Amino acid sequence: RKEVEQDPGPFNVPEGATVAFNCTYSNSASQSFFWYRQDCRKEPKLLMSVYSSGNEDGRFTAQLNRASQYISLLIRDSKLSDSATYLCVVNVYGGSQGNLIFGKGTKLSVKP
Amino acid sequence: GAGVSQSPSNKVTEKGKDVELRCDPISGHTALYWYRQSLGQGLEFLIYFQGNSAPDKSGLPSDRFSAERTGGSVSTLTIQRTQQEDSAVYLCASSRGPGGTRYFGPGTRLLVL
Repeated sequence: RKEVEQDPGPFNVPEGATVAFNCTYSNSASQSFFWYRQDCRKEPKLLMSVYSSGNEDGRFTAQLNRASQYISLLIRDSKLSDSATYLCVVNVYGGSQGNLIFGKGTKLSVKP
Repeated sequence: GAGVSQSPSNKVTEKGKDVELRCDPISGHTALYWYRQSLGQGLEFLIYFQGNSAPDKSGLPSDRFSAERTGGSVSTLTIQRTQQEDSAVYLCASSRGPGGTRYFGPGTRLLVL
């Protein structure tokens, strides 16, 4: 089982739609979780951290389910500018790869 | 403030040549990482430096790849005897410490002909 798994997509949605991505992780010792965003031909950038109680940042909501070992990202009222690849990232203290394990990403395309 | 910078931004080389890629991390960041990303693919971890500790080289794909970090700051990734399959974007990132928010540079696009 891969350490961090995501549906690669692409998710093709119309403007204004609500879209959700899920991500599963294999290491139950994982301690913190993030979503990064990567625009086409650009570097990844932190979108938001994921807290145990769930957290919201404008149109974006992140949730964590430790029991089932999955993380989700919900985007409401999608904009054209939301088109990007969303990377699920898991921190395992003392783990490999400098502790942060990156998923392969889920590609979102928002159409007019 | 200044972010992570990388040079060159683009590099075209011939198969069999050696290349050096440079990364300048954010000042004060003790952790530095190199990744590779092929077209349409995810990030592939290559190597990780943390302070004065021995680097984690577990992601280097072959002994043609090596990296150094001098003075705990600038890092160079060297690829010897380049092959066409080495063509990719090489991304450098830094963070205040292990597991911290990772800030990426713009990458070096390497094309091996």
